[in-house]
Amino acid sequence: SQQGEEDPQALSIQEGENATMNCSYKTSINNLQWYRQNSGRGLVHLILIRSNEREKHSGRLRVTLDTSKKSSSLLITASRAADTASYFCATADTGRRALTFGSGTRLQVQP
Amino acid sequence: EAQVTQNPRYLITVTGKKLTVTCSQNMNHEYMSWYRQDPGLGLRQIYYSMNVEVTDKGDVPEGYKVSRKEKRNFPLILESPSPNQTSLYFCASSSRDTNEKLFFGSGTQLSVL
Repeated sequence: SQQGEEDPQALSIQEGENATMNCSYKTSINNLQWYRQNSGRGLVHLILIRSNEREKHSGRLRVTLDTSKKSSSLLITASRAADTASYFCATADTGRRALTFGSGTRLQVQP
Repeated sequence: EAQVTQNPRYLITVTGKKLTVTCSQNMNHEYMSWYRQDPGLGLRQIYYSMNVEVTDKGDVPEGYKVSRKEKRNFPLILESPSPNQTSLYFCASSSRDTNEKLFFGSGTQLSVL
């Protein structure tokens, strides 16, 4: 079954606005990661947050992790047209040697 | 440039015709994995390798084989492809573990007729 479930499935915003995507998961994790995928291309790692961390920043990205609620959010500030892509959360579940990916959020940033 | 290189980018084949998708990384990473991506199902791990000559099954290994004879290469072999293996395949590597920051190849779109 899919562990990380992103919400919303699709998001359309104007350039300059902030975009927030949420991810929920079900089991115990070691870390949670966010990846970006441009249409049909390979995934690009954006940020990793470990289970003992609550918030992390990288440039225009801000990730939060709430292990009590088993949820994470990815905030992209001051979005650009080039941010248009699908965004996936992936959990590193305790005891597994694989990432568990969700189905992704499709973000469209209108110029 | 640090990268994971997959070939071919697109492949159309027929049921039962053996094929190999190659994967090579130039980052000296120990950990490599294969994933398939299907609409609505996200990415699912097929096989992974912790080091040379060390491979293990992921979540969906049926119908696939892998080998790791050299550190940089991790080919995916479909000995008798079937239509349900039509998918987008990704090779990934990592310096820390198979569930740490992954570097992905550009993908191989496989269609089995």
